[in-house]
Amino acid sequence: DQQVKQNSPSLSVQEGRISILNCDYTNSMFDYFLWYKKYPAEGPTFLISISSIKDKNEDGRFTVFLNKSAKHLSLHIVPSQPGDSAVYFCAARLNNNDMRFGAGTRLTVKP
Amino acid sequence: ETGVTQSPTHLIKTRGQQVTLRCSSQSGHNTVSWYQQALGQGPQFIFQYYREEENGRGNFPPRFSGLQFPNYSSELNVNALELDDSALYLCASRPGWSSGSTDTQYFGPGTRLTVL
Repeated sequence: DQQVKQNSPSLSVQEGRISILNCDYTNSMFDYFLWYKKYPAEGPTFLISISSIKDKNEDGRFTVFLNKSAKHLSLHIVPSQPGDSAVYFCAARLNNNDMRFGAGTRLTVKP
Repeated sequence: ETGVTQSPTHLIKTRGQQVTLRCSSQSGHNTVSWYQQALGQGPQFIFQYYREEENGRGNFPPRFSGLQFPNYSSELNVNALELDDSALYLCASRPGWSSGSTDTQYFGPGTRLTVL
């Protein structure tokens, strides 16, 4: 029962360009959505989140957009930098205890 | 301030055995969650502990159990290991638990469990 899906296993962009990572979900009861970044041999690190009552949240080069009617969210990174190369996980929170993660998208930013 | 640490880094067990994985939460954090991440998948929520009591559980059988200690370190115990239990096990801690708070968890690097 995969309630959070990241359909692109990988994405490659040129340094300086925009990276757009997508995530779809099926459960309308999710109240928060989060993005995590993971480097090899490290645990995921929190990047940015958005409440289900908002449609956009921005933090520096990172912006998350939420389209509730489409049950879709996206993470925009602009401009992309080589240090952004990592696996990005989309996560959705059902309540304060249960988080559902997507399978991840591997982003490669080429110099 | 130290981050979240986990031990051991890697572990190999055989089917039917029992395993205990350990997590040391970030200083001042009283809430810890455990996740299982199979190869090519995202982390799956196992359970959460708050002040030494389990207060949330995902879709995992009872042979997955845990403990949280007064110093907020924790353990994940898995009995009767199965081949499908092979995965990366992550723990994550956060400062507190309150409904409506943004869930900023701090993850450890994980323990890689292989069941043969």
